Amino acid sequence: GAVVSQHPSWVICKSGTSVKIECRSLDFQATTMFWYRQFPKQSLMLMATSNEGSKATYEQGVEKDKFLINHASLTLSTLTVTSAHPEDSSFYICSARRTSEFNEQFFGPGTRLTVL
Amino acid sequence: GQNIDQPTEMTATEGAIVQINCTYQTSGFNGLFWYQQHAGEAPTFLSYNVLDGLEEKGRFSSFLSRSKGYSYLLLKELQMKDSASYLCAVMDSNYQLIWGAGTKLIIKP
Repeated sequence: GAVVSQHPSWVICKSGTSVKIECRSLDFQATTMFWYRQFPKQSLMLMATSNEGSKATYEQGVEKDKFLINHASLTLSTLTVTSAHPEDSSFYICSARRTSEFNEQFFGPGTRLTVL
Repeated sequence: GQNIDQPTEMTATEGAIVQINCTYQTSGFNGLFWYQQHAGEAPTFLSYNVLDGLEEKGRFSSFLSRSKGYSYLLLKELQMKDSASYLCAVMDSNYQLIWGAGTKLIIKP
């Protein structure tokens, strides 16, 4: 159990367009999901914490109007990169925490975004 | 502030043993995690320590000393496929993961 999926696995888009990334917990309920960004040869950087049914909590320096997060159900959170620019090109990874447990996070496989 | 320190890069030989250290200073402690991450892939869970001592799982072991703010990941009988980055992460009092920058492990034949 504890499988998290992300869709799409990779996406290439033109500058100025918006891209939506989905994160799903397939076999468990996740009250909380986390969105990370990772640039090459760097560690994970937490962008925001997404709680089902409420507004996401964004980390300092992350623009909430540019990175829209929606966590409408206990198994789905979406991250929309609006008006994407080449500097938004990165590896976006989500993780989910079981409703009943506070420790382990289960990671999705990641989404590689390239903005031309 | 909160801080996780681990070496940037380590090199070891196939078949040998390597120890990757991690020291931390965080606001609260709800456990320490080690993850393995191959290039271009998401992290995969290796171990979780919340009590002092050694946790062994096959070729991998993880040790924790809460009083010293210290952990290590021990990899035995190294294989070429163990070449990856190893991430140390501490869960703070708010149950948020604080991540180290990762240690890139290079295995040589």
